[in-house]
Amino acid sequence: EAQVTQNPRYLITVTGKKLTVTCSQNMNHEYMSWYRQDPGLGLRQIYYSMNVEVTDKGDVPEGYKVSRKEKRNFPLILESPSPNQTSLYFCASSPRTYSGANVLTFGAGSRLTVL
Amino acid sequence: DAKTTQPTSMDCAEGRAANLPCNHSTISGNEYVYWYRQIHSQGPQYIIHGLKNNETNEMASLIITEDRKSSTLILPHATLRDTAVYYCIVRGGSNYKLTFGKGTLLTVNP
Repeated sequence: EAQVTQNPRYLITVTGKKLTVTCSQNMNHEYMSWYRQDPGLGLRQIYYSMNVEVTDKGDVPEGYKVSRKEKRNFPLILESPSPNQTSLYFCASSPRTYSGANVLTFGAGSRLTVL
Repeated sequence: DAKTTQPTSMDCAEGRAANLPCNHSTISGNEYVYWYRQIHSQGPQYIIHGLKNNETNEMASLIITEDRKSSTLILPHATLRDTAVYYCIVRGGSNYKLTFGKGTLLTVNP
């Protein structure tokens, strides 16, 4: 089944303890992206990647890192998590198309709580 | 990307058609209209997209006005499982990023 898989789905951690949220897609998509969703603020893009070794900042990149060493994986790294990073996180991927229309497939989400 | 305006909420009776409107008066010629939905904190789910012509798939129909300044998503026979927040998004062809607004909370009632 074509899908975007995120892990962990739920995590409670403490301030300053480094963590990684993994994202993997099995659709050979070039484009991958991370979003966070907060009440009243909607979904906001954190980072994105157009292809292997190519990453760029989205709208809210502060406090996050990403890497794209393989096409299928796009982990989100919180080097020193803080309570304001408590959020619901979504990974998404899309094929690179030249027709002008790109459909994003989203993962199920990772709910992170930083105490 | 052009800004979109959607009603905050709508209700629909189960089995009836749900018609969700969206205004995008500043849309430009190469921008597509996309619809996604999110069921209670699950990942957003793609529904349908279109450029100029009306589109239909197994989930829904998309009606775009001739001037492209507004569109309507139609769920032909709404079920309780269609209760969700529906997002109308306008995006240019070279832009992969989706900018989500507040969407419309559709509640399907028994």
